[in-house]
Amino acid sequence: GAGVSQSPSNKVTEKGKDVELRCDPISGHTALYWYRQSLGQGLEFLIYFQGNSAPDKSGLPSDRFSAERTGGSVSTLTIQRTQQEDSAVYLCASSQIGNTEAFFGQGTRLTVV
Amino acid sequence: GDSVTQMEGPVTLSEEAFLTINCTYTATGYPSLFWYVQYPGEGLQLLLKATKADDKGSNKGFEATYRKETTSFHLEKGSVQVSDSAVYFCALKGATNKLIFGTGTLLAVQP
Repeated sequence: GAGVSQSPSNKVTEKGKDVELRCDPISGHTALYWYRQSLGQGLEFLIYFQGNSAPDKSGLPSDRFSAERTGGSVSTLTIQRTQQEDSAVYLCASSQIGNTEAFFGQGTRLTVV
Repeated sequence: GDSVTQMEGPVTLSEEAFLTINCTYTATGYPSLFWYVQYPGEGLQLLLKATKADDKGSNKGFEATYRKETTSFHLEKGSVQVSDSAVYFCALKGATNKLIFGTGTLLAVQP
């Protein structure tokens, strides 16, 4: 694709429900990153994929959070039993391996009510 | 592990003032260094990058030089404009390919 695509762009969910956020990276990009940005805050690293494997998932806040990547392409971030503190913008980025920059999607704004 | 430390904000300047936002890093080996910018209501976009020591990245009047000896990548602009108001993030990509960001610095430029 022309850029990193994230869906949905906005999601409002009730507390306790599960949500799935999707990221479609730039074609050919081996590395894929998930970050979380709360209002007025910086970027909180969640997880990083190289191909289909996740060498670093140290940023996942709890076991309610999980992510997978299939076919070296699309990634899904799943949040189970959502809590109000999960409300944030979830950002996905992709890059080629090496010293190249990462390109970001527009994010999914998650609101837990 | 690898890390990035950048200047706390907010930074408030008058139009045409000189800007410096400090960024230092800790990393093994020779990381690539980046500055990203987030304009109000928009997504993150790359501003400039440098991939080896003494490289200077530049774009839109902004510059940053990769200083291995001081492990720094400070962002500078000689004359800021109101349209430069944004949040600026310093980042590094090390040997593991993990992309690590600083906390961001909010810049507000007043006319």
